[in-house]
Amino acid sequence: EPEVTQTPSHQVTQMGQEVILRCVPISNHLYFYWYRQILGQKVEFLVSFYNNEISEKSEIFDDQFSVERPDGSNFTLKIRSTKLEDSAMYFCASSEGGDYGYTFGSGTRLTVV
Amino acid sequence: EDQVTQSPEALRLQEGESSSLNCSYTVSGLRGLFWYRQDPGKGPEFLFTLYSAGEEKEKERLKATLTKKESFLHITAPKPEDSATYLCAVQDIAYSGAGSYQLTFGKGTKLSVIP
Repeated sequence: EPEVTQTPSHQVTQMGQEVILRCVPISNHLYFYWYRQILGQKVEFLVSFYNNEISEKSEIFDDQFSVERPDGSNFTLKIRSTKLEDSAMYFCASSEGGDYGYTFGSGTRLTVV
Repeated sequence: EDQVTQSPEALRLQEGESSSLNCSYTVSGLRGLFWYRQDPGKGPEFLFTLYSAGEEKEKERLKATLTKKESFLHITAPKPEDSATYLCAVQDIAYSGAGSYQLTFGKGTKLSVIP
């Protein structure tokens, strides 16, 4: 069964450092998303990406965050200058369209120290 | 603002003991309600989408139903492998289309099935 692949599975970084989280969505999917889940809290929407541009973003997705689809297969989330409160599980997801449930990756656990 | 509230927060069942999980929601207009299963340290796994009141969907021991205010996930004769956190999420018409179908999640119900 096709799956969404995320790397790395766990990343530890120092406060103020830049991190890039990587995702390979399912090949025929058209919509791409990043969500995050702080330990013990809800899964929260960050950003959606369609037709090579951001289609929607939440209040969490401020100027420190950016997304790219550099080569038609990878989908990346960059955090420019990490803060302690960025520590969370980050999930990439993709879907064929709105009428289909997303397929989520297994996540990247980001720990900012 | 969309709101999704799930209850109970945690549920322990004996193997074979059927029960239901509740998801109540507030949206400006419901496009779809989604149920996901999440195992520890993993991403949510899609189970069902429901679109209109009265709709029901089934998969093995799970059945999801929808009313205008809430959804139920019924678990019939659960087994230990059904232990997981079950997440409910809504898609609001206000945020759908034009390249985005974002979801608003509840906190989930952690189900433990004891052999």
